[in-house]
Amino acid sequence: GQQLNQSPQSMFIQEGEDVSMNCTSSSIFNTWLWYKQDPGEGPVLLIALYKAGELTSNGRLTAQFGITRKDSFLNISASIPSDVGIYFCAGLYNNAGNMLTFGGGTRLMVKP
Amino acid sequence: DARVTQTPRHKVTEMGQEVTMRCQPILGHNTVFWYRQTMMQGLELLAYFRNRAPLDDSGMPKDRFSAEMPDATLATLKIQPSEPRDSAVYFCASGLELGKNIQYFGAGTRLSVL
Repeated sequence: GQQLNQSPQSMFIQEGEDVSMNCTSSSIFNTWLWYKQDPGEGPVLLIALYKAGELTSNGRLTAQFGITRKDSFLNISASIPSDVGIYFCAGLYNNAGNMLTFGGGTRLMVKP
Repeated sequence: DARVTQTPRHKVTEMGQEVTMRCQPILGHNTVFWYRQTMMQGLELLAYFRNRAPLDDSGMPKDRFSAEMPDATLATLKIQPSEPRDSAVYFCASGLELGKNIQYFGAGTRLSVL
C-alpha cells in the first residue's frame, strides 16, 4: 500500500528555536494534512493543503504542499513548551475515498 | 462544538475477556474510521465505513476483531477474546467524504489487557 516517510522521528530542541519536519511519498497525493497529538489525546488538525505549491500558515506554523505532489513540510517558528507532542502528516491520493495515509510521526520535545 | 466521542476512555481487562469500544461520530459525517496506535506501529487503520457500510477492514485481525455501525450515531469495535498484544490506544475518527478530506479524531480508548 501507500507509505509516507516522515522525518525526523524525534526532535529535542531549545525553546525559541525553529523546527522543520517533512513527509515524502513515492506516490502523488492530492491532499496533505498535518495533525498534532498531545499526550493522552487524539490527533488534532493543524493545517490542510489542497493544491501543489500551496503555502499555508496557522499562527507560528507554516506548511507547504510540494510542487511534485509527493512531499510536504511543516515549520514551527519560535517554539514554546506547549508545542511538545507528536506531529503527523497525512496524505490522500486519488480513488482512496476519504481514507488517509499517515506518516510515522515526529515526536517533538522542547526544553524550556 | 462538534466532536467525536469515544467511550470508555480507559479499559483494563483480563486476557480472554470481550472488549467493546464505542464511538459517536460527528453528526452529519458519513465516514468512520477505527485506528490502533502503539509505540512500535504508529497509527494503523483497522476499519473504514462509508454511510455505515464497511469498505475496508483489511487491517483488522478477523478472527477476534469486529467492527459495526448499528446506526449513523454509533460505531463499535469489539475484541473477543482479548489478548495482551491488543493493548494499545484505539482511536475513532469521522469525516465527510467529498468534503475537505479531513478526519476528526476522538480522544481514544486506552486498552490494557493483562
